[in-house]
Amino acid sequence: KNQVEQSPQSLIILEGKNCTLQCNYTVSPFSNLRWYKQDTGRGPVSLTIMTFSENTKSNGRYTATLDADTKQSSLHITASQLSDSASYICVVTEFGNEKLTFGTGTRLTIIP
Amino acid sequence: EAGVVQSPRYKIIEKKQPVAFWCNPISGHNTLYWYLQNLGQGPELLIRYENEEAVDDSQLPKDRFSAERLKGVDSTLKIQPAELGDSAVYLCASSPGGGIGAGELFFGEGSRLTVL
Repeated sequence: KNQVEQSPQSLIILEGKNCTLQCNYTVSPFSNLRWYKQDTGRGPVSLTIMTFSENTKSNGRYTATLDADTKQSSLHITASQLSDSASYICVVTEFGNEKLTFGTGTRLTIIP
Repeated sequence: EAGVVQSPRYKIIEKKQPVAFWCNPISGHNTLYWYLQNLGQGPELLIRYENEEAVDDSQLPKDRFSAERLKGVDSTLKIQPAELGDSAVYLCASSPGGGIGAGELFFGEGSRLTVL
């Protein structure tokens, strides 16, 4: 069964600090991996997409990495801001049928 | 461009009552999804449509849940009768589908259901 596991489950950091969120998956065959940000009470919004051939992709202060060999991805947030407080969800797409497997998310809290 | 629109945003009902949620996807998006999200969890797929056709409804509890997507645009998700365990956020998402767009979901704000 395809699975996506995220760690940590929750994280609290001081404003201005950096942090890294992890995503491990077993989805095969692999099409792409996306990181979504979900603010409280809102729907998820896509941050980045990683395909098989991509190792790193940045979107402002967010940098995602992908190691397709070990089936691991990370999302690094630089110089965190209060607005980064949200849940971050890793989603992996299966090649061929476009089936999506969602992780349970990491709840990030930035404190001033 | 308008995003995915869902209504109602909030709904409180007593158990055994029916409830319906409506979703208007982004114009031109052929793929529409309904997800259920419990607090602190990731979304779980209920049903996926390609145009009017339900291509994956394997996780939809068909004894009490039903969905339709008439004319391949708007969609309605219904629960009848609702149970206490149905309390959750119901998310609708649409996607342009296919190729590099695979997995690019655009979500609505969700409909939060509370069953008393």
